[in-house]
Amino acid sequence: AQSVSQHNHHVILSEAASLELGCNYSYGGTVNLFWYVQYPGQHLQLLLKYFSGDPLVKGIKGFEAEFIKSKFSFNLRKPSVQWSDTAEYFCAAYGANNLFFGTGTRLTVIP
Amino acid sequence: DTAVSQTPKYLVTQMGNDKSIKCEQNLGHDTMYWYKQDSKKFLKIMFSYNNKELIINETVPNRFSPKSPDKAHLNLHINSLELGDSAVYFCASSHGLAGVVQYFGPGTRLLVL
Repeated sequence: AQSVSQHNHHVILSEAASLELGCNYSYGGTVNLFWYVQYPGQHLQLLLKYFSGDPLVKGIKGFEAEFIKSKFSFNLRKPSVQWSDTAEYFCAAYGANNLFFGTGTRLTVIP
Repeated sequence: DTAVSQTPKYLVTQMGNDKSIKCEQNLGHDTMYWYKQDSKKFLKIMFSYNNKELIINETVPNRFSPKSPDKAHLNLHINSLELGDSAVYFCASSHGLAGVVQYFGPGTRLLVL
């Protein structure tokens, strides 16, 4: 069965620190990958997506993610985080007519 | 302009009651979804509707029933509410099914007492 794993449950960083959030998926077929962000009290918003092509995708607000097929990974990165990046981050994979979410990673950025 | 809207935003009710959550999208999408986010923030799909037909019906209790009067609306009816139904319910929509981007509503926080 398809699944998405996010191993970091809670990450705490100081402003200007670099960020990398892990995401691994398990699905043998063609998969589309997403990162969504949920700011406190708000709905999910799309950060970036990968369907095909360049495995390094750039999203909004300076985020990027790299698809590494051999590792079944789609890690999210940002070189310098800001206090406003404090939120819950969800990795998701679409396959077999379904969108599967990871359990989310809470990011807290300390000013 | 609100793309995907849900009402109500908050819903507090007693066990055993029947309640509905409404969802509307003005994006012209043909597919709509309902997700449940539990207290641990885990998101799980409950239903999806494509062109007024149920496409996915995960193993949710039959107390939950989606109703789509038209392509722009997908309402969620819940009968005989239980404590475990307390969660945040998100509606979403997309153009088609095949891995396209889903746009989420603001969520409805349901608390069953």
